[in-house]
Order: sequence, then structure tokens, then C-alpha cells
Amino acid sequence: DAKTTQPPSMDCAEGRAANLPCNHSTISGNEYVYWYRQIHSQGPQYIIHGLKNNETNEMASLIITEDRKSSTLILPHATLRDTAVYYCIVYNQGGKLIFGQGTELSVKP
Amino acid sequence: GAGVSQSPRYKVTKRGQDVTLRCDPISSHATLYWYQQALGQGPEFLTYFNYEAQPDKSGLPSDRFSAERPEGSISTLTIQRTEQRDSAMYRCASSLDRGSNEQFFGPGTRLTVL
Repeated sequence: DAKTTQPPSMDCAEGRAANLPCNHSTISGNEYVYWYRQIHSQGPQYIIHGLKNNETNEMASLIITEDRKSSTLILPHATLRDTAVYYCIVYNQGGKLIFGQGTELSVKP
Repeated sequence: GAGVSQSPRYKVTKRGQDVTLRCDPISSHATLYWYQQALGQGPEFLTYFNYEAQPDKSGLPSDRFSAERPEGSISTLTIQRTEQRDSAMYRCASSLDRGSNEQFFGPGTRLTVL
């Protein structure tokens, strides 16, 4: 079973920041927080991951709370092409990814 | 190769028939994964390979499902005596190794069992 909880859907205006929350209250010390997204019928795409420090790359930023029980994925300037299902995954780098239901993000003009 | 490829992209079969799906991972990647994705759901893990070894097949739903990767590169997923509930998208992914941060997913094979 997925160890994360995400809202089923969110809307965001084009050009604004999209903040996608995730709860993972049972995360253990050696588990990372990973984010993937799936655009329409394509395969999932890796976005970013972190252990306890905040992370930023060219796609997004990841903010992890100090107690590591929740995190937020930030898309700083959402575009229509960012419309997708976003999956927050707790992963110990041991092989399988366990996807939950994800958050369906709709970016609107 | 440039990315993970899967064939066929679409497969329609009749209940009771066997089907075999193929995955070509990125050529330098040691680890290969199979997932099943029902419509409107996230992918669900089936099994994975590290080269030709198959350390985890806990996600295979029944003994009708099997996977192989005999030479540590191309992999096949075989479903015997297909049932309508097997209808789904089957996705393959590969990563550089088991501890890699990123899994690269293929386009999937859409299986429809009539």
C-alpha cells in the first residue's frame, strides 16, 4: 500500500506557482520522498527527490518538513503542459515504486 | 537505445489466450521493472530484474503471470490463459542500477482481453 496521502485534484492558473502537498507520516529514516508525474497516457516521468533537505532542480522544488512527515512539490511557474497526475512516493531505493492515487493537477489559462 | 521501448503498443486478445509483451530497456541499464496500470489508477509494481536475476516478483497477481530476462537486456512478460481482468496498460521501466534515483518508463502496451 502507498505510504502517502495526496489530494485527488487541484487547479492552478497558468503562470502561477503550483503547490502540491503530500503527507507521509509513517516515513522511516532511510526512505526518500520522490515525485513523479504522468501526462495523459504517457509513462510516468521522474521530477525530483529528497531525503530531508529541500531540493531544487530545473523542473521543480521540493520542500520537506523538519519532521519529514509531509512535503510540498512546487512548480514555480505552471504552464498548460504541466497538467498531469503528480505522484508522491516514499521510496527506499530498493527497487519498486509504490504509486498511490496521485493528485490530478489542472493548469488553466 | 534512446529510451525504453515496448512492443506491441496495443494488443487485443480473446479470453483464454496467452500473450507475451516485450520490453527493450535503455542499453546501459542493469535494472528493469514491470508495472500494471489500470485505467484511472497509478501503476502497480509487478516484478523487477537486476541483469538476469529476478529478486522480487511479489507483485505478480497470479501464477499465470511470468517474466524473463535471460540475457540481462530484453525482457518479456507472459500472461497465460488471459482473463478480462488482465486488461490494462503494462509499463516497463529501466534504471542504471537498483539504487538509482530515476526509473525511465516506456510508452506501455495496452492489453485488451475480450
